Amino acid sequence: DTEVTQTPKHLVMGMTNKKSLKCEQHMGHRAMYWYKQKAKKPPELMFVYSYEKLSINESVPSRFSPECPNSSLLNLHLHALQPEDSALYLCASSQYRDSNEKLFFGSGTQLSVL
Amino acid sequence: GQQVMQIPQYQHVQEGEDFTTYCNSSTTLSNIQWYKQRPGGHPVFLIQLVKSGEVKKQKRLTFQFGEAKKNSSLHITATQTTDVGTYFCAGRGGYQKVTFGTGTKLQVIP
Repeated sequence: DTEVTQTPKHLVMGMTNKKSLKCEQHMGHRAMYWYKQKAKKPPELMFVYSYEKLSINESVPSRFSPECPNSSLLNLHLHALQPEDSALYLCASSQYRDSNEKLFFGSGTQLSVL
Repeated sequence: GQQVMQIPQYQHVQEGEDFTTYCNSSTTLSNIQWYKQRPGGHPVFLIQLVKSGEVKKQKRLTFQFGEAKKNSSLHITATQTTDVGTYFCAGRGGYQKVTFGTGTKLQVIP
């Protein structure tokens, strides 16, 4: 299994809602990532987890809260988002948190904040 | 911070023509990776280059890493409609942190 699975594929939420994005991989990868991608822009790194511990937070607003319950799962909890947070949220994984590791991306969650 | 620029931003080619995208980093990179994102899809890993001056080929695709490890290129020979998508380079400057280039969107006209 070489897939990274993300749910839901689409999400519409109001600014007062609380929602969660989920990501799962069964490749035994020990590094997992959240990226945000706006239309016609490159993916931007948000968070990196290595061995289930948060190792990088790219100064992301606290309305985004990541969680790594175990080595296969990665969540992104959303609360009080703004319309400008509408984007494609991509989860990725790699074997290790190492400079030579390639990233495997999930198909993403297309988020719309109303 | 590290910036990675790609040119051109967009490229339209007739099917069968060649295509090249260039990637330039503001800092020296430990390695460079290339990803392809089809319309409506997610980035998919193509290749990684590590050594200064390294050249790798995958069928019609040729990847090159510059001598100074600050630039890279992707050349596609005789494009096909299946090559449509956005090509991103991704450079690792510091430990673990990957910065994606601005991307080049390729359209192939049949």
